[in-house]
Amino acid sequence: GENVEQHPSTLSVQEGDSAVIKCTYSDSASNYFPWYKQELGKRPQLIIDIRSNVGEKKDQRIAVTLNKTAKHFSLHITETQPEDSAVYFCAALPNSGGSNYKLTFGKGTLLTVNP
Amino acid sequence: DAGVIQSPRHEVTEMGQEVTLRCKPISGHNSLFWYRQTMMRGLELLIYFNNNVPIDDSGMPEDRFSAKMPNASFSTLKIQPSEPRDSAVYFCASSPGQGNEAFFGQGTRLTVV
Repeated sequence: GENVEQHPSTLSVQEGDSAVIKCTYSDSASNYFPWYKQELGKRPQLIIDIRSNVGEKKDQRIAVTLNKTAKHFSLHITETQPEDSAVYFCAALPNSGGSNYKLTFGKGTLLTVNP
Repeated sequence: DAGVIQSPRHEVTEMGQEVTLRCKPISGHNSLFWYRQTMMRGLELLIYFNNNVPIDDSGMPEDRFSAKMPNASFSTLKIQPSEPRDSAVYFCASSPGQGNEAFFGQGTRLTVV
């Protein structure tokens, strides 16, 4: 099955700096890669996703890049703000046809943005 | 739509008792997932259903755990008997299908004492 590794487990940055979180996956059949943000005591919520037919996607201060050859993808947050502080999860979904919707998550990265 | 609805939000029970967690997915979504979240293990997929049929339950930790989806609008996760190591936040999520966003419920915080 799919295995998703996420690094770093914790990340502390100063407000205004950039933050980068990296993930690798094992199943070359994976073709959908969402990123979720989870604030303390709340549910994970999707912030951005990317599909295997593109290499980069951007939405205001956040961007995701995908390297299918190397089987890794990254989340980039620019001009970080204190409200960006949360746990971020990457995930991968294989496209092996049939009814396989097994979305596998990384272990998460605790991002702290210091004012 | 109110989103994915889970109940109860908090559950405290004694070891050995039966616990039932409930989930109502978003109407029209045909995939439903149960996840368990702990500090040590992160978000673990326990089981997922497609069109009410269990597709993969390889994440269910033991026979003490069981899940059902009797219809498209309701699912349960049952733990019997419960143990202290089952203490965690249990999330239910639903999705319109493959390659689409999974929407999470608010979660049930389970404490087994």
